[in-house]
Amino acid sequence: GAVVSQHPSRVICKSGTSVKIECRSLDFQATTMFWYRQFPKQSLMLMATSNEGSKATYEQGVEKDKFLINHASLTLSTLTVTSAHPEDSSFYICSARKRYQETQYFGPGTRLLVL
Amino acid sequence: DAKTTQPTSMDCAEGRAANLPCNHSTISGNEYVYWYRQIHSQGPQYIIHGLKNNETNEMASLIITEDRKSSTLILPHATLRDTAVYYCIVRGGFNTNAGKSTFGDGTTLTVKP
Repeated sequence: GAVVSQHPSRVICKSGTSVKIECRSLDFQATTMFWYRQFPKQSLMLMATSNEGSKATYEQGVEKDKFLINHASLTLSTLTVTSAHPEDSSFYICSARKRYQETQYFGPGTRLLVL
Repeated sequence: DAKTTQPTSMDCAEGRAANLPCNHSTISGNEYVYWYRQIHSQGPQYIIHGLKNNETNEMASLIITEDRKSSTLILPHATLRDTAVYYCIVRGGFNTNAGKSTFGDGTTLTVKP
């Protein structure tokens, strides 16, 4: 199989604090990981692409200083939402892709609520 | 990535085949057709993908037209648990900058008893 996990599954934080979300590929090495955001009743929106050992590539309109992405190993990528505000409340989903393969496998998502 | 067009919603009777269409008229030669589905409040689940030939796995069949401008995902015997949003995505290979998945609005499939 190809299992991707995320932690935490849901988090509530106060406005102004930072939140870290982890994405792990459990049974394969993920050379590329993707981070998406999904607002209620909307489709997934790609935020950034990260390759192991290099800086993430952010999509247009996504602030790299606000959404810090680290892909430190072949099984772990982290997304840190810095100085979170209520408008950052959303469903954050990661996906991972194996080396030399096409298919992306998605994590179960992390629901963030900023009060 | 090529743009895809899917119907907003479809209904299907339980036990019958669900046929979900997708148009991707601007697909280029090295782009794959991928299908994912998302059950409410979960991450997307990979279903199937193909390049030129029709594909079948334990979940579904993928029929790609000869000109590759459209495809159909077939769930042979739909169950209530197949109720989800189905996304058709066209993207380049892993070795291209277009190897990321861009999601459209998808088709909301409702399987009814």
